[in-house]
Amino acid sequence: GAGVSQSPRYKVAKRGQDVALRCDPISGHVSLFWYQQALGQGPEFLTYFQNEAQLDKSGLPSDRFFAERPEGSVSTLKIQRTQQEDSAVYLCATQRDSSSYNEQFFGPGTRLTVL
Amino acid sequence: AQSVTQLGSHVSVSEGALVLLRCNYSSSVPPYLFWYVQYPNQGLQLLLKYTTGATLVKGINGFEAEFKKSETSFHLTKPSAHMSDAAEYFCAVRNGNQFYFGTGTSLTVIP
Repeated sequence: GAGVSQSPRYKVAKRGQDVALRCDPISGHVSLFWYQQALGQGPEFLTYFQNEAQLDKSGLPSDRFFAERPEGSVSTLKIQRTQQEDSAVYLCATQRDSSSYNEQFFGPGTRLTVL
Repeated sequence: AQSVTQLGSHVSVSEGALVLLRCNYSSSVPPYLFWYVQYPNQGLQLLLKYTTGATLVKGINGFEAEFKKSETSFHLTKPSAHMSDAAEYFCAVRNGNQFYFGTGTSLTVIP
């Protein structure tokens, strides 16, 4: 597709359930980022991939959060044993290279609600 | 450390009036600065960016921003607001692989 796509767009989980959020990047984009956007806040960095390598995971809030990009394209953000504080919009962004000059293209996000 | 402060979580302007959204940053290195717009249920879209060179940056939809190092500011302006400008606006500073976003300013345009 022409842009970054994310699925599902909405996810409701019961506390304690595991969830998996998918990001399909723009074809050929090397860099991929995950962000968490809480209600009324700006996006906060979670993790960064360059191709299949996860180069920075300093923003992951706990060891319940795990991200992968095994073939350097599609990425999955997994949250284990979800908690209510995990409720947020999870944004994926990709960039054609690793330069700091260049634009990140954002997907529409997955809104996660944990009951 | 890098951080971004957006003054005013909500701004209302009349259609045709000047839009001014404020952003101040702190950065330990020369900053790369960005403004993004977010419409409801959509991802963020880049309005404009400053990396190097000219400090007055023009973006899409008639927006522009001026990098003022002495004031550590990167305020976003548009001479004449349009109804379609109603959205959430985020200022961000980039350091390496990480973006640091402000908390956003919600712009309302009054007809």
